[in-house]
Amino acid sequence: EADIYQTPRYLVIGTGKKITLECSQTMGHDKMYWYQQDPGMELHLIHYSYGVNSTEKGDLSSESTVSRIRTEHFPLTLESARPSHTSQYLCASSSPKPVEETQYFGPGTRLLVL
Amino acid sequence: GQNIDQPTEMTATEGAIVQINCTYQTSGFNGLFWYQQHAGEAPTFLSYNVLDGLEEKGRFSSFLSRSKGYSYLLLKELQMKDSASYLCAFMDSNYQLIWGAGTKLIIKP
Repeated sequence: EADIYQTPRYLVIGTGKKITLECSQTMGHDKMYWYQQDPGMELHLIHYSYGVNSTEKGDLSSESTVSRIRTEHFPLTLESARPSHTSQYLCASSSPKPVEETQYFGPGTRLLVL
Repeated sequence: GQNIDQPTEMTATEGAIVQINCTYQTSGFNGLFWYQQHAGEAPTFLSYNVLDGLEEKGRFSSFLSRSKGYSYLLLKELQMKDSASYLCAFMDSNYQLIWGAGTKLIIKP
């Protein structure tokens, strides 16, 4: 299994603030993903990356940006947080084992924007 | 278009068997995943099917029928710790995962 780390685990912040959610993985996986998930709802893909210097927008960009300067690091930045950004954010990376594109998830960041 | 559907919630009894269904529609298909997600935690990989038939892994089995756009996850000898949401997701022609909303499984003693 992949080791995926996310910080912070919980964040309460005011409207208009800039925030960066950190995600790191130690397995050398090329592909990484950011998802947004509200309670009891499906995962929505925000951004993904095929590798260093590669970033793509998913179905729900949510006014956020990502960068991939190093294989192991894939931070997500919200330039100006809004209450509508309140959600859980999950980072994942994918491995060809046990099957191609198996995604392994970090513990998530729960964000509350006041 | 693409869509995926699974029941919102199911209830079963400890020690029993439960089948969670998932139906999908897509023009390109590269396999179907099942994940388990306990409340407040991240999803964890359970199974993957790309060919028709049943894949068994301990108490959990997963079935796929590509012609019917249908899969199910079968959980046997249910334990209280199996209370969780079960997410199905198919991989489309671009190798992107399209996720269902999940089925919340409640296990009663």
